[in-house]
Amino acid sequence: AQSVTQPDIHITVSEGASLELRCNYSYGATPYLFWYVQSPGQGLQLLLKYFSGDTLVQGIKGFEAEFKRSQSSFNLRKPSVHWSDAAEYFCATSGTYKYIFGTGTRLKVLA
Amino acid sequence: EAGVAQSPRYKIIEKRQSVAFWCNPISGHATLYWYQQILGQGPKLLIQFQNNGVVDDSQLPKDRFSAERLKGVDSTLKIQPAKLEDSAVYLCASSSFPSGLPYEQYFGPGTRLTVT
Repeated sequence: AQSVTQPDIHITVSEGASLELRCNYSYGATPYLFWYVQSPGQGLQLLLKYFSGDTLVQGIKGFEAEFKRSQSSFNLRKPSVHWSDAAEYFCATSGTYKYIFGTGTRLKVLA
Repeated sequence: EAGVAQSPRYKIIEKRQSVAFWCNPISGHATLYWYQQILGQGPKLLIQFQNNGVVDDSQLPKDRFSAERLKGVDSTLKIQPAKLEDSAVYLCASSSFPSGLPYEQYFGPGTRLTVT
């Protein structure tokens, strides 16, 4: 069965520091993978997606993610975090039609 | 392109009352989803429509929740009667599925329900 695990519930980084949010998936075939961001009181906004091809995917707001089949991972990265990046981040995978979301990682940014 | 619209944005009701949420998907999107997101958790799919037919409602508490999508466009989600544990954000999303795989889901801003 499909599943997504986000091991870190909370992460705190200083503004300007680099960021990596972890996501591990379980799926038999090549998964479709997504990262969404949710700011307080808002819906989910798609940051980036992986379907096939180049394993390093660029997204909006300076985010990127790397698909590593050998590690069943799709970690989200940003080289320099801004205070406005404070939000909750969700990794998701989809099969034929259904999304499975991780439990989310809440990012706090220190000034 | 207009996004997914939801109303109301916030609702406070007492337990045992009823409540309804409305969603208008992106124009042309055949598939519509309702999710429940409890504080501190990821979204959980309640029901998925393709046009005006139900694809998946396996996690919908059918004794109190109902949803419809008339004419394959707008949708309403109703809770009757509400319980304290229904306090959550209700998210609506739409996608172009089954037009081409893979697909993306586009989310509305959500309705925050508080049951007192």
